[in-house]
Amino acid sequence: AQSVTQLGSHVSVSEGALVLLRCNYSSSVPPYLFWYVQYPNQGLQLLLKYTSAATLVKGINGFEAEFKKSETSFHLTKPSAHMSDAAEYFCAVSVPNFGNEKLTFGTGTRLTIIP
Amino acid sequence: GAVVSQHPSRVICKSGTSVKIECRSLDFQATTMFWYRQFPKKSLMLMATSNEGSKATYEQGVEKDKFLINHASLTLSTLTVTSAHPEDSSFYICSAPFSGDTQYFGPGTRLTVL
Repeated sequence: AQSVTQLGSHVSVSEGALVLLRCNYSSSVPPYLFWYVQYPNQGLQLLLKYTSAATLVKGINGFEAEFKKSETSFHLTKPSAHMSDAAEYFCAVSVPNFGNEKLTFGTGTRLTIIP
Repeated sequence: GAVVSQHPSRVICKSGTSVKIECRSLDFQATTMFWYRQFPKKSLMLMATSNEGSKATYEQGVEKDKFLINHASLTLSTLTVTSAHPEDSSFYICSAPFSGDTQYFGPGTRLTVL
């Protein structure tokens, strides 16, 4: 079974500051890892994914994440926060299953941007 | 890109009635779709896997008779909440896999049962 732990249910950063959202995973087999963003009353939008290629993954809106097997981590970063980044962020894990991969989500981190 | 739609976006119903939520993959085919439930300020909980042409697979603790799932075609899955009660009020989200390893999510349906 897989699991995801997101450290910090709420993170606040100043506009222009570094964004760091933490995610640690547990998986008995090499995992697929994802970051999704959710704006209020909307579905989830894929930010980026790791599926066993390059360990540093670049996504949309200037976000990136690095897969570190030794630390079982997949932290999400953005060099400079923008007001539009305020949202809920979910880290998720799955394992390869021929297109039927089930996602296991973390509990989410609410990102607040301080003007 | 892969687009998934849901209808309706919001529904309010009386206790005891049934509500049907549709999930459609607009520009790709999906033999499998997933249904999630999200409580306020909480994470997503996988309810079931919808399989085109066969029965859905439910997660442990999810009532099959309460949450009926039908995957009628390669682009449509429906979730029917039967005899809805206030505790069924929630945000329901579907997803479909595209390019093998990535789930694309619908915009969600807010169900309120009075």
